[in-house]
Amino acid sequence: EAQVTQNPRYLITVTGKKLTVTCSQNMNHEYMSWYRQDPGLGLRQIYYSMNVEVTDKGDVPEGYKVSRKEKRNFPLILESPSPNQTSLYFCASSPYSSSYNEQFFGPGTRLTVL
Amino acid sequence: DQQVKQNSPSLSVQEGRISILNCDYTNSMFDYFLWYKKYPAEGPTFLISISSIKDKNEDGRFTVFLNKSAKHLSLHIVPSQPGDSAVYFCAASRHAGGTSYGKLTFGQGTILTVHP
Repeated sequence: EAQVTQNPRYLITVTGKKLTVTCSQNMNHEYMSWYRQDPGLGLRQIYYSMNVEVTDKGDVPEGYKVSRKEKRNFPLILESPSPNQTSLYFCASSPYSSSYNEQFFGPGTRLTVL
Repeated sequence: DQQVKQNSPSLSVQEGRISILNCDYTNSMFDYFLWYKKYPAEGPTFLISISSIKDKNEDGRFTVFLNKSAKHLSLHIVPSQPGDSAVYFCAASRHAGGTSYGKLTFGQGTILTVHP
């Protein structure tokens, strides 16, 4: 089944404790992206990757890191989480063949930082 | 600066009637528009899209209308069904290619509730 998977689905942590949210897609898509969803703000892009070893900042990159060492994986790293990073996070992927930039989303990771 | 706006946080309609969800944008460089649907505890799923060279695109019960001069698009669902109850996000992008590829700018979302 073609899909984007994220782990963990739910995470409660404390301020300053480094964490990684994994994202993997099995569709051989070149493009991958991370979003966060907050009430009243919709989805905002954190980082994106056009291909292996190519990453760039989105609209809200502060406090996050990413890496793209393999085509299928795009982990999101919070080196020192803070309460304002409490949010619902989505990973997405897309093939370059998609003219409409249609993106396929993972199921989401709900993160709470205490 | 919210470049894509959905000014109605929620919409309630009766089963069988029409649902109209609205979206406004400010950036005239956007040339592709998409609607996503999101159920609780799931990721958004692509619903329908439209290019700026068109003013209408239809897919079954779903039709998207684009008014470029007003920088406004709308999603019509006819007839509405209880299973359509979800959050609907409007999104906009520039033409694929170069560094603009893949960047989707989303609206805040509208919660649609369809009553049986």
